[in-house]
Amino acid sequence: AQSVTQLGSHVSVSEGALVLLRCNYSSSVPPYLFWYVQYPNQGLQLLLKYTTGATLVKGINGFEAEFKKSETSFHLTKPSAHMSDAAEYFCAVSLLTGGGNKLTFGTGTQLKVEL
Amino acid sequence: EPEVTQTPSHQVTQMGQEVILRCVPISNHLYFYWYRQILGQKVEFLVSFYNNEISEKSEIFDDQFSVERPDGSNFTLKIRSTKLEDSAMYFCASRGQDHYGYTFGSGTRLTVV
Repeated sequence: AQSVTQLGSHVSVSEGALVLLRCNYSSSVPPYLFWYVQYPNQGLQLLLKYTTGATLVKGINGFEAEFKKSETSFHLTKPSAHMSDAAEYFCAVSLLTGGGNKLTFGTGTQLKVEL
Repeated sequence: EPEVTQTPSHQVTQMGQEVILRCVPISNHLYFYWYRQILGQKVEFLVSFYNNEISEKSEIFDDQFSVERPDGSNFTLKIRSTKLEDSAMYFCASRGQDHYGYTFGSGTRLTVV
């Protein structure tokens, strides 16, 4: 079984400050890991994903995430927050199984960016 | 860039009525999914569909729900007798041969009154 835990349902940062959104996963086999962003009343937009290879993954809008197997983590970071980054962020995991590779999402982290 | 298209974007229905949510996946994709998101909550898996049959379903996906790919392009989710608690945003997604190339639609917001 796979699961995702996102620590902190709400994170608030100042504009220009570092953004760090935490995600830990649980899986019995090597996972594929994803971060999605959801703006108010909109759908899910893929920020970045880890499948294999390089553990530091760069995504859109200046975000990146590092897969750390020893810590079972896939934290999302951005060096300098912008007001437009305010949104809800979901971490998700998928396993290579025979069941269609469903995505399992975390509970989400609402990012607030203040002036 | 190819898109997954969902219609309608909003639907209001009376409790007990049947609704059909429609999705047009990316044309060369093989795996199809429905997820739902109750307001303020996380995105939950409902069902996955491959080779014209359900490959996995969650405990949410009970006998009130069904999926169909009637004509090789559309992928539909039917709720036979809607309940108030079915009010949610429903997302369709599709994926090709790779195991991580999911594309989501923009969702259908279903409101049951």
